[in-house]
Amino acid sequence: GAGVSQTPSNKVTEKGKYVELRCDPISGHTALYWYRQSLGQGPEFLIYFQGTGAADDSGLPNDRFFAVRPEGSVSTLKIQRTERGDSAVYLCASSPEVTSAYNEQFFGPGTRLTVL
Amino acid sequence: KQEVTQIPAALSVPEGENLVLNCSFTDSAIYNLQWFRQDPGKGLTSLLLIQSSQREQTSGRLNASLDKSSGRSTLYIAASQPGDSATYLCAVTPYNQGGKLIFGQGTELSVKP
Repeated sequence: GAGVSQTPSNKVTEKGKYVELRCDPISGHTALYWYRQSLGQGPEFLIYFQGTGAADDSGLPNDRFFAVRPEGSVSTLKIQRTERGDSAVYLCASSPEVTSAYNEQFFGPGTRLTVL
Repeated sequence: KQEVTQIPAALSVPEGENLVLNCSFTDSAIYNLQWFRQDPGKGLTSLLLIQSSQREQTSGRLNASLDKSSGRSTLYIAASQPGDSATYLCAVTPYNQGGKLIFGQGTELSVKP
C-alpha cells in the first residue's frame, strides 16, 4: 500500500513569504507527527495530532508556525513570514495509533524548504 | 529533559568489517528505542525497535542492544557492505509524551569497497 507522502518535495521561497507543506499519512493512521531536520542534525519534534486535534504542539518554535488536520487525515504545516532560519527538511510521520509502548512511526520523504 | 547523543558523528570503514554505533540517552523513562536509516535526500526507514523490557533485537546482519538502566544502546552491523552507507539515527519514545520521538544527531557511515 501507499506510504506517507509529502508535497512539495522541494520548496524555495523568499524571506517574508508564506508557505504551506502538505502531508498525506497512511490511510487509517490516527496519529500524525511533524518533525524538522536541520543540516547535520537529527529530526526535532514540532507537533502531533491525534485525529483532528493537535494533542501536543510544544515543539513549534514560535507563533509563525501552525498546523491543521481538519478531517483527521491530511495535514498542512503553515509557516508565516518565513525566515532564513526556517530552512530545513520538514518530515511527516504517521502511526496507527498513539499507543506509545508499540509506537512505530512511518516517515514520508520530507519537504526541503529553502528560504532565500 | 531527555537528550539523545550518538557517537561517533561519522565513521568510515572498509567493506567486510564489523562495526558498532553508539547511542546514549539521559532519561531511562522510555517506552522503546528505535534505530533508523536515512539515505541522502530521503526519509527515515525504521531498522529495529526495542521495547524497554527487551535487551536486544536482531534483523539480518543488524543487532541492536538496549541497556535502559545505563541509558545506552548499540547497533552492531556485521560484515558491512557499501550499500550500508547512510546516516543512522537512534530515537527514544519518552513516557507519557504522546509517542513523539527524541532523536540523536546521527552517525554518518561510509563503507568503502
